[in-house]
Amino acid sequence: NAGVTQTPKFQVLKTGQSMTLQCAQDMNHEYMSWYRQDPGMGLRLIHYSVGAGITDQGEVPNGYNVSRSTTEDFPLRLLSAAPSQTSVYFCASSYSKGIRYEQYFGPGTRLTVT
Amino acid sequence: GENVEQHPSTLSVQEGDSAVIKCTYSDSASNYFPWYKQELGKRPQLIIDIRSNVGEKKDQRIAVTLNKTAKHFSLHITETQPEDSAVYFCAASSGGGNKLTFGTGTQLKVEL
Repeated sequence: NAGVTQTPKFQVLKTGQSMTLQCAQDMNHEYMSWYRQDPGMGLRLIHYSVGAGITDQGEVPNGYNVSRSTTEDFPLRLLSAAPSQTSVYFCASSYSKGIRYEQYFGPGTRLTVT
Repeated sequence: GENVEQHPSTLSVQEGDSAVIKCTYSDSASNYFPWYKQELGKRPQLIIDIRSNVGEKKDQRIAVTLNKTAKHFSLHITETQPEDSAVYFCAASSGGGNKLTFGTGTQLKVEL
């Protein structure tokens, strides 16, 4: 199993450009999430999905869109990049075991917006 | 929504000493509390977790305690080793499998 994969690893965008961060998992997990990590602020939830066709907003959803057409894939779209979106983005997948939800993180995408 | 506070932000200990990291949460409905370790440039990885119906859980040198009344939980690492040096994050969930709210992290440094 490859686990959770993310592409690209690094990306530089100009203000106003759009792009899609890719995330895929091969563990048949029902749940998938996107987080951003900024220095001193931990990981903050952007959007999440509880299954194919179902998505919802997290703590910091503005400026981002998601969709989940398959169990495996959960892309994150930046509509019009802004310098405030410079961050490291982590995708995660998880499954439920009672009330225990172990999240498996991808390797991250380091995004810089100039 | 949930709010998780984590202290201290940095912690330096001598090898072999114990380290304790504390977190508080605000949502009394939270029932799952994982701890993640993140090494420099790497992804977060789960090291231990605890459910709300358990007060303490131990896994070798790592233990977590939960006080639901006070809404706080702590990570205890005994006999620290240099490879324990990393950033540790606590988190809380009120039942949504992927709706984790993270603390701001603790940079642990284990000195020889």
